[in-house]
Amino acid sequence: DTGVSQDPRHKITKRGQNVTFRCDPISEHNRLYWYRQTLGQGPEFLTYFQNEAQLEKSRLLSNRFSAERPKGSFSTLEIQRTEQGDSAMYLCASSFRQGGTDTQYFGPGTRLTVL
Amino acid sequence: GNSVTQMEGPVTLSEEAFLTINCTYTATGYPSLFWYVQYPGEGLQLLLKATKADDKGSNKGFEATYRKETTSFHLEKGSVQVSDSAVYFCALSEKAAGNKLTFGGGTRVLVKP
Repeated sequence: DTGVSQDPRHKITKRGQNVTFRCDPISEHNRLYWYRQTLGQGPEFLTYFQNEAQLEKSRLLSNRFSAERPKGSFSTLEIQRTEQGDSAMYLCASSFRQGGTDTQYFGPGTRLTVL
Repeated sequence: GNSVTQMEGPVTLSEEAFLTINCTYTATGYPSLFWYVQYPGEGLQLLLKATKADDKGSNKGFEATYRKETTSFHLEKGSVQVSDSAVYFCALSEKAAGNKLTFGGGTRVLVKP
């Protein structure tokens, strides 16, 4: 399977704990995006990378959130001191930036539940 | 800023009925437009896209036409099947904004046999 993969698929944690999610993009895709989707809503942009450079962060991404893509391949999203409001589906997407519109392909998501 | 508005659901139809989901957008530049579909228990899948005015995207019997004059990208299918039951998301992206996607709230479609 050469699609976008995310790990874990589900995470249950207690308030105040730190969590880390991983995303493996489609091979050779140079762009990687993170989105958050709450129940009954559309996904909202969090941040994106071109290769290893983080080019934009949404205001939704508080200082408790950090994302990395150290070698321009997989990416991690860490949430420190989780809050109940962080409960959501975290989606990763990748694309190949080629000068025009790039089409994003999504992974299955990581569902976070903060108790 | 950019925004996408789509009709609220749920939309309940009988098999073989005609489906329309309205989508309108606000953008500062010249966006590309997309429809994504989320089947129960699965991730988002690209259904179709259009990158410039008057383009028509089509896939699996679904169609949508990029209408710049009405800032719309309505999704249509002539004869739905039970397997089309899903949540449909309209979205836009702009090259000048890093091609990040701005999504509508989603429309749940339920097709009954």
